[in-house]
Amino acid sequence: GENVEQHPSTLSVQEGDSAVIKCTYSDSASNYFPWYKQELGKGPQLIIDIRSNVGEKKDQRIAVTLNKTAKHFSLHITETQPEDSAVYFCAAPGELQGAQKLVFGQGTRLTINP
Amino acid sequence: AAGVIQSPRHLIKEKRETATLKCYPIPRHDTVYWYQQGPGQDPQFLISFYEKMQSDKGSIPDRFSAQQFSDYHSELNMSSLELGDSALYFCASSLGLTGQAGYTFGSGTRLTVV
Repeated sequence: GENVEQHPSTLSVQEGDSAVIKCTYSDSASNYFPWYKQELGKGPQLIIDIRSNVGEKKDQRIAVTLNKTAKHFSLHITETQPEDSAVYFCAAPGELQGAQKLVFGQGTRLTINP
Repeated sequence: AAGVIQSPRHLIKEKRETATLKCYPIPRHDTVYWYQQGPGQDPQFLISFYEKMQSDKGSIPDRFSAQQFSDYHSELNMSSLELGDSALYFCASSLGLTGQAGYTFGSGTRLTVV
């Protein structure tokens, strides 16, 4: 099955700086890579996703890049703001048949320092 | 827009008791997933249903069972509760099997076993 590794586990950046979180996956057939933001006491919220037919996707201050050859994908947050502080999870499909459960990375606790 | 509704938000049970968690998916979503998230952990897949049939099974203990009803809501039944069952339980829903057409999480049920 799919295995997803996420780094770093914690990340602290100054407000206005950029943050980068990286994930690797094991199944070369995986074709969908979402990123979730989880705030305290809330469920994971999808913030951006990318499919395997593109290398990069951007949505305002958030971007995701995908390197299929190396089997890794990254989340980039620019001009960070205090409200970006949360736990971020990457994920990949656990199976490519049937209902696609997600396999999550271990999470990154991002702290934005004012 | 309507989201995934989970109830109750909080639940306190004693060891060996039974708990039932409910999940109401986004209207027209036909696939439901259950995840368990321990403190400081990433969400772990438990079980999924598509069109009222079990689609996939993850690390769900035999003491747990679940089903999806004709109105597509789902219930997770947990018996002989153990202290280690204390966690956040999330439900997610999607349209179709791939999960790529809107994979949305509810706010979760926090189960505390004492």
